[in-house]
Amino acid sequence: DVKVTQSSRYLVKRTGEKVFLECVQDMDHENMFWYRQDPGLGLRLIYFSYDVKMKEKGDIPEGYSVSREKKERFSLILESASTNQTSMYLCASRLTDGAGETQYFGPGTRLLVL
Amino acid sequence: QQQVKQSPQSLIVQKGGISIINCAYENTAFDYFPWYQQFPGKGPALLIAIRPDVSEKKEGRFTISFNKSAKQFSLHIMDSQPGDSATYFCAASKRTGRRALTFGSGTRLQVQP
Repeated sequence: DVKVTQSSRYLVKRTGEKVFLECVQDMDHENMFWYRQDPGLGLRLIYFSYDVKMKEKGDIPEGYSVSREKKERFSLILESASTNQTSMYLCASRLTDGAGETQYFGPGTRLLVL
Repeated sequence: QQQVKQSPQSLIVQKGGISIINCAYENTAFDYFPWYQQFPGKGPALLIAIRPDVSEKKEGRFTISFNKSAKQFSLHIMDSQPGDSATYFCAASKRTGRRALTFGSGTRLQVQP
């Protein structure tokens, strides 16, 4: 079974702090994704990576950056956390870029920015 | 700009009833349409998916109906069970270019015993 793990289930940070969210997948998948989930808005793509050191902006990249130094690990960085970044963050991975490939999600990190 | 519109936002169905969730899309470049199921405290998981070359796909009690001309697709859950209570997301991705999924806003389904 594919396993996608996220470093924290719950996180509380202060406005202006630098925040790192880590995601690790154990199935040698090429593609990895970061989404945020908000009630009534569904899942919105922040960034995705189709290979090591490769990244592409999603629909809402403002205020976020990412890092993928190793194939199994994809990090989401909030350079200066703000209250409007309070949300559920979901990481996902996918074997290749082929249409129809299943995305596998981690359990999510619920971030509260005070 | 919401490229995939999902309705209803929430749905309450009696055990044994049929649950129906609808999605509509604008972008004709979409050619893959999955549904994801999310239980509380878990990440979404793929439930069923369809391509536009067929009008219906059935897996057990779950059926996707696809109407290419209307640019709509729907999820039908037959004989709904309390264990089906979850949030359901429709999604779509393009056949070329960036293949990341675009998700609908989600439907919270509650199946009452």
